[in-house]
Amino acid sequence: DAKTTQPNSMESNEEEPVHLPCNHSTISGTDYIHWYRQLPSQGPEYVIHGLTSNVNNRMASLAIAEDRKSSTLILHRATLRDAAVYYCILALNRDDKIIFGKGTRLHILP
Amino acid sequence: EPEVTQTPSHQVTQMGQEVILRCVPISNHLYFYWYRQILGQKVEFLVSFYNNEISEKSEIFDDQFSVERPDGSNFTLKIRSTKLEDSAMYFCASSRTSGRRSEQFFGPGTRLTVL
Repeated sequence: DAKTTQPNSMESNEEEPVHLPCNHSTISGTDYIHWYRQLPSQGPEYVIHGLTSNVNNRMASLAIAEDRKSSTLILHRATLRDAAVYYCILALNRDDKIIFGKGTRLHILP
Repeated sequence: EPEVTQTPSHQVTQMGQEVILRCVPISNHLYFYWYRQILGQKVEFLVSFYNNEISEKSEIFDDQFSVERPDGSNFTLKIRSTKLEDSAMYFCASSRTSGRRSEQFFGPGTRLTVL
């Protein structure tokens, strides 16, 4: 399975931007980059995905490096409700499934 | 906003018993999935289902597991003879197109406890 590398945990202050990094040096040209999150005691929740260009939606922004070997999920103004495990996932060209890693546990400080 | 629903929210069963976990995916979605999460561990892919057949399955999804879409709205996961190690949260998900190209919507999960 294509591997992503994320920090185990991060902290951020409420109402400040958060940048969650992800390395995926083995990505191939048609693999999509997905981000999901899992709030405590809930199922995973889609955040954003992209292929080459940066993407924005109501939840977050996804900045993809030019060589696509890394990406950054940006939460523009963190709230306490954003405390969750964030998963950076490569969705492979040959697969329908997504494979979850360990993710980054994001703590938001009030 | 449409959502994936799952029943029951919690199922307790004895080892060796059969269980059926039920899911109602979002109505215009075509791809369906089951994942599980053992307490404190990562979310694991079990199976994907498209066009009334399994499209992919993991090593976890052995002969004890089966999936079905019996009536065009429900999507079920059956475990024929449960084992203690099947205790986990089971999440159903659905997507409009192939999972790698679109978002998967997850249900709230069914907590399965095998005694």
